[in-house]
Amino acid sequence: DAGITQSPRHKVTETGTPVTLRCHQTENHRYMYWYRQDPGHGLRLIHYSYGVKDTDKGEVSDGYSVSRSKTEDFLLTLESATSSQTSVYFCAISEQTRETQYFGPGTRLLVL
Amino acid sequence: SQKIEQNSEALNIQEGKTATLTCNYTNYSPAYLQWYRQDPGRGPVFLLLIRENEKEKRKERLKVTFDTTLKQSLFHITASQPADSATYLCALGGDALQGAQKLVFGQGTRLTINP
Repeated sequence: DAGITQSPRHKVTETGTPVTLRCHQTENHRYMYWYRQDPGHGLRLIHYSYGVKDTDKGEVSDGYSVSRSKTEDFLLTLESATSSQTSVYFCAISEQTRETQYFGPGTRLLVL
Repeated sequence: SQKIEQNSEALNIQEGKTATLTCNYTNYSPAYLQWYRQDPGRGPVFLLLIRENEKEKRKERLKVTFDTTLKQSLFHITASQPADSATYLCALGGDALQGAQKLVFGQGTRLTINP
């Protein structure tokens, strides 16, 4: 998976609790992305980062925040998890001037 | 709003035949289109990229076409094998903010190659 790890790989949590997902890369790529994948919707972009401390919103950013304090780490936080945030979350990375994205193995999140 | 449709949720093909998957889009003018493969429980893996000024791209048994007039891409796997069974995703790109590539994905087609 192109030097990308995600943790945890599986998580069950309760509505209203905060959750943080971590993406770690060893490729030193500049760009990092968080997607969610749901049946019938495909992959949808939540947030992305174009450098350390530089982030922006994607298509479905409500209820999510991100942080990137180091090149290799991109954190996704659900401030107060809801059942609608039950999904599989994928992190991806890409190099500068290259369009290809490399995906991590995913985190399966269940919010009860 | 942008809309991408992949022809069907599932496609069953006999081994050895050519599998053809379709990706149609509306309200978008992509600079390029990508195809990814996704196996169960894993992240998508990049296969091919075709740009708006290219008609066709090939890689081994894979062929992609891109018709910007019809707003359609076709993805072909020739001499299909059971190992080709997976979900295939198309993604449109070209909207780059600060250099980040904001891809828009279709919902995927689950391809099964029967022995």
